[in-house]
Amino acid sequence: EDKVVQSPLSLVVHEGDTVTLNCSYEVTNFRSLLWYKQEKKAPTFLFMLTSSGIEKKSGRLSSILDKKELSSILNITATQTGDSAIYLCAVGPYSGAGSYQLTFGKGTKLSVIP
Amino acid sequence: DAGITQSPRHKVTETGTPVTLRCHQTENHRYMYWYRQDPGHGLRLIHYSYGVKDTDKGEVSDGYSVSRSKTEDFLLTLESATSSQTSVYFCAISGLAGGSTDTQYFGPGTRLTVL
Repeated sequence: EDKVVQSPLSLVVHEGDTVTLNCSYEVTNFRSLLWYKQEKKAPTFLFMLTSSGIEKKSGRLSSILDKKELSSILNITATQTGDSAIYLCAVGPYSGAGSYQLTFGKGTKLSVIP
Repeated sequence: DAGITQSPRHKVTETGTPVTLRCHQTENHRYMYWYRQDPGHGLRLIHYSYGVKDTDKGEVSDGYSVSRSKTEDFLLTLESATSSQTSVYFCAISGLAGGSTDTQYFGPGTRLTVL
């Protein structure tokens, strides 16, 4: 059974701090790892990491995949109150049916206080 | 905006009644998914579809059925709703022709309460 564990479960920081969120996984035939941000609504896509793309960056957010350690980190620098959200990590294997089933972690709830 | 809508957005129903949730997409994605999200469990896959009339079960499919008679619509049915099915339901899509099949885009969600 595929498994995704995120840590910490929750985190409170002050504006301007840098945070690192962790995701570890166990999946058969790993294909990719995805990060999503969820505020009080639907998850929105941040990054996808694969064997051929183990680092991604967008503005103050960056993510690295460590295939040897079966883990990934999501870094947010110079945090802002708008970064407050639940951050979800998901992984998926190759699927015989051709669709792409994701297994999600329970998320890390980040609260950024002024 | 991935062009995905869900209806209804909120529903309150009684135990034992049938309920159908609709997911509609406008961009011809091949794959469609239904998830439920509950505190302490995160997002869990209920059913998914890899084409018209092609569907399969996910992790938590008991008590749910789905149908996809055309590319743009994916229906989730609770045949006889129970209180344990109170949840927020998300539809997701992926597999736009010529694009990545891996990245899933989520609809706005349906909050279902079963009394």
